[in-house]
Amino acid sequence: TQLLEQSPQFLSIQEGENLTVYCNSSSVFSSLQWYRQEPGEGPVLLVTVVTGGEVKKLKRLTFQFGDARKDSSLHITAAQPGDTGLYLCAAASGSARQLTFGSGTQLTVLP
Amino acid sequence: DVKVTQSSRYLVKRTGEKVFLECVQDMDHENMFWYRQDPGLGLRLIYFSYDVKMKEKGDIPEGYSVSREKKERFSLILESASTNQTSMYLCASSAPGQGPSGYGYTFGSGTRLTVV
Repeated sequence: TQLLEQSPQFLSIQEGENLTVYCNSSSVFSSLQWYRQEPGEGPVLLVTVVTGGEVKKLKRLTFQFGDARKDSSLHITAAQPGDTGLYLCAAASGSARQLTFGSGTQLTVLP
Repeated sequence: DVKVTQSSRYLVKRTGEKVFLECVQDMDHENMFWYRQDPGLGLRLIYFSYDVKMKEKGDIPEGYSVSREKKERFSLILESASTNQTSMYLCASSAPGQGPSGYGYTFGSGTRLTVV
């Protein structure tokens, strides 16, 4: 089972600040996904990246897949309290249909 | 609105009880998964299924079993509940062919199980 390491584990910032969350592994992924989970709910898919170097934007969120497909980052611009939640990266290798999840980054955006 | 429904949001069971966690999806997905989520450990895969009556062990299957008699329903069974099985249990589904370029999982809202 591949290991996904997320950093930081916890992040507390003020509204309006920028932040970056990282997801790293020593393994090469065929795809990587980012999810957000709010308290008492299941994770919700934000984005899937497939190609090395790929960058995707979702409003104020920018997702990047590393050139070697071993790492990814999530950047949030001008964070808002509604961005608060647990951010999880998840990866698939080869033709596997099951995902391996990172341990998550708990983000708190203070008003 | 497509969804994955887990039968209970909160459950309290006694040690040694047999526990059934039910999951139903209305998206005609072939793939279904059971994870448990614990602080600092992320989501860990217990069992998964790619077809009716098919099941495969995930990373932590010990103490659990599953049943998939119908495509839309995937049940997780704790044969004899123990306190170390206290956790958040998440069911997920995905469509066939959702491999490397897939659209990801749809999760249920989770069942928080406490074994006392």
